[in-house]
Amino acid sequence: EADIYQTPRYLVIGTGKKITLECSQTMGHDKMYWYQQDPGMELHLIHYSYGVNSTEKGDLSSESTVSRIRTEHFPLTLESARPSHTSQYLCASSAPYEQYFGPGTRLTVT
Amino acid sequence: AQSVTQLGSHVSVSEGALVLLRCNYSSSVPPYLFWYVQYPNQGLQLLLKYTTGATLVKGINGFEAEFKKSETSFHLTKPSAHMSDAAEYFCAVQGAQKLVFGQGTRLTINP
Repeated sequence: EADIYQTPRYLVIGTGKKITLECSQTMGHDKMYWYQQDPGMELHLIHYSYGVNSTEKGDLSSESTVSRIRTEHFPLTLESARPSHTSQYLCASSAPYEQYFGPGTRLTVT
Repeated sequence: AQSVTQLGSHVSVSEGALVLLRCNYSSSVPPYLFWYVQYPNQGLQLLLKYTTGATLVKGINGFEAEFKKSETSFHLTKPSAHMSDAAEYFCAVQGAQKLVFGQGTRLTINP
């Protein structure tokens, strides 16, 4: 079983608030990813990292930002949440030829 | 560039019936292919993968998939559906730096 964790699992927050979604993995993987997924829909890559101090934007433009100060930690931040940010956010890390996913954070912005 | 097409956004089968979820890929290099399953309110879990070697790949929960290069396909099958198989299934191909996912297929099992 993969050891990748996301907190919180569910978050309901008001418009304009700053939020940070946490993602941690204990497998020592260099590559990590953030996906955005609306219910029942496909996954969209929004950020990825190849290692410490490496971050790249993904295929889908996002107002969120990420940081990678430690190998095991890859948090995602929204400076000012809006209703359009309501979605599920999935974090993943990868070994060669396999990607491991966290349980996701379901974000609702009211 | 790599791409994946899953045929059918929604598949419905009866309990005990054959499950067939279709996936076609495009890749300029020998592909590495994956099937993931996602249960409600959870992340994705790897079902099986093809990298090299045997073209018939067996995965967890009784699923298997066959890599057919001539048809550029990697269809997922299970001989007998169980109610617990109801979920979203994603096919993916390894791209240059990341996985490229299909749109997903929702599998519904009828009692």
